[in-house]
Amino acid sequence: DAGVIQSPRHEVTEMGQEVTLRCKPISGHDYLFWYRQTMMRGLELLIYFNNNVPIDDSGMPEDRFSAKMPNASFSTLKIQPSEPRDSAVYFCASSLSSEITGELFFGEGSRLTVL
Amino acid sequence: DQQVKQNSPSLSVQEGRISILNCDYTNSMFDYFLWYKKYPAEGPTFLISISSIKDKNEDGRFTVFLNKSAKHLSLHIVPSQPGDSAVYFCALKYAGNNRKLIWGLGTSLAVNP
Repeated sequence: DAGVIQSPRHEVTEMGQEVTLRCKPISGHDYLFWYRQTMMRGLELLIYFNNNVPIDDSGMPEDRFSAKMPNASFSTLKIQPSEPRDSAVYFCASSLSSEITGELFFGEGSRLTVL
Repeated sequence: DQQVKQNSPSLSVQEGRISILNCDYTNSMFDYFLWYKKYPAEGPTFLISISSIKDKNEDGRFTVFLNKSAKHLSLHIVPSQPGDSAVYFCALKYAGNNRKLIWGLGTSLAVNP
């Protein structure tokens, strides 16, 4: 079975450029999460969706960040314009609503470097 | 203001011995407590969880203990193996329909042959 698929795995860009990260959740999962990992703050939840609807976006740092989920099999996280402090590993994860423990399945992450 | 703390950034143990990873929390509103393992350049993978109504859950070499009065969670790995070398995160889920997990900063475990 395919897991959560993220692209690109690595992205190097210059300050001010637009960055788009992509995620395909596990088929049948109805929750999708975007996380950011940094050394200083660890894993931070940015936003999560249920049945393609954003439920909690309180973790989105500022208006430069936006996330969409146009259908059950695809989501994007966009940063425009990007800044050096956005450099981090961004993880997408998915889960089933029937999984009451909250167990998540993570992708391998997208490492973003903003110069 | 960190709700979840893993006070040991790193831990080194000998192969075959017990590894004990700890996690402390401040909020009583969590209903599930999870442990994840992460290898370099990979996403975290689920290891084991425990409900707030239990104090112990065991799965093979992995046992999680929950002390609600002390707001303390621990993961025991016995016997430890070199393949267990990874970063371990505790993650706590709020009670109810909220799917948000609150994560510790992780403990890097090195199991030496």
